[in-house]
Amino acid sequence: GDSVTQMEGPVTLSEEAFLTINCTYTATGYPSLFWYVQYPGEGLQLLLKATKADDKGSNKGFEATYRKETTSFHLEKGSVQVSDSAVYFCALSEKGNNRLAFGKGNQVVVIP
Amino acid sequence: GAGVSQSPRYKVAKRGQDVALRCDPISGHVSLFWYQQALGQGPEFLTYFQNEAQLDKSGLPSDRFFAERPEGSVSTLKIQRTQQEDSAVYLCASSLLTSGRADTQYFGPGTRLTVL
Repeated sequence: GDSVTQMEGPVTLSEEAFLTINCTYTATGYPSLFWYVQYPGEGLQLLLKATKADDKGSNKGFEATYRKETTSFHLEKGSVQVSDSAVYFCALSEKGNNRLAFGKGNQVVVIP
Repeated sequence: GAGVSQSPRYKVAKRGQDVALRCDPISGHVSLFWYQQALGQGPEFLTYFQNEAQLDKSGLPSDRFFAERPEGSVSTLKIQRTQQEDSAVYLCASSLLTSGRADTQYFGPGTRLTVL
């Protein structure tokens, strides 16, 4: 079945550092891809999405590009802030199927 | 405007008890989803409604889990004879459109269920 794999372990980095969180997927068709974020004490919220190959989703300084050839959707931000500390989830939904399949999530801690 | 709300936020149940978890979706949203999130894991799909019709319940882990949305708005997830492995956060999400795999799902804060 469809699945999403995120890099293992929490990510700790200093303010203004470059952030990358890897995400790869397995799907039978051409899924839509998402990044969701969960800030401390809050619910999941959509960060960005891409619906077809080579699309780039962007929001709040974060970017991710839908790479069909490598089945990847890595999340990047050039200069993180303490307020970016959260758990980040990569997810997909297949055409004709409304459900989301999530990765395990990555805890990101940004220290001042 | 109001987002997705869930109640209760926390529930402690003794093994074998029945529980009912409520979800109030965003007004006018046609689609409603339930997910289960175990500690340290990503959410796992349980079931999906379009209005009052339950179109997909393939993610429900056993026949002890039952969901309904009788009037196409509020939904209830019921777990009968709770077991310790049911301990998790139960998330509800709603989306506006009936089709389109890129529809944004808006999540509630979740209900944290602990089964002792």
